Amino acid sequence: EAQVTQNPRYLITVTGKKLTVTCSQNMNHEYMSWYRQDPGLGLRQIYYSMNVEVTDKGDVPEGYKVSRKEKRNFPLILESPSPNQTSLYFCASSFGSTGDEQYFGPGTRLTVT
Amino acid sequence: GESVGLHLPTLSVQEGDNSIINCAYSNSASDYFIWYKQESGKGPQFIIDIRSNMDKRQGQRVTVLLNKTVKHLSLQIAATQPGDSAVYFCAEKYGQNFVFGPGTRLSVLP
Repeated sequence: EAQVTQNPRYLITVTGKKLTVTCSQNMNHEYMSWYRQDPGLGLRQIYYSMNVEVTDKGDVPEGYKVSRKEKRNFPLILESPSPNQTSLYFCASSFGSTGDEQYFGPGTRLTVT
Repeated sequence: GESVGLHLPTLSVQEGDNSIINCAYSNSASDYFIWYKQESGKGPQFIIDIRSNMDKRQGQRVTVLLNKTVKHLSLQIAATQPGDSAVYFCAEKYGQNFVFGPGTRLSVLP
């Protein structure tokens, strides 16, 4: 089944403890992206990648890192999480490098205390 | 499921009626627009897209209209069904940036 998977789905952590949210797609998509979703603000793009070893900042990249060493994986790294990073995170991918028609994962609910 | 928006605008329609969801976008340089549907506890699901060189595009039971003069996008859903109940987002793309609207909650009444 073609899909975007994220792990973990739920995570509660403490301020400053490094964490990684994994994202994997099995559709051989070139483009991958991370978003956060907060009530009343809609989805905001954190980082995106147009291909392996190519990553760029979105609208809200502060406090996040990403890497794209393999085509299928695009992990989101929070080196020192803070409470304002409590949010619902979505990974997405699309076939072309432009990001059109993105397929989203199921989401990761992160709480930082 | 996850709450995606506690105070979203809500559109309530009778089952079988047509729904029209509106969206104002911000950047006149945007060249690609998308509508997504998000059900409770799930990620957004692509519905339909349109490029800036078009003003109308139709899919199965859905139509997207683009008015570049007033920077307005609408999604029309024909014969709305209970399964259409969800939050609907528009998104615009300029350059490599995607900007999403806050969403509208569609509630289908029996």
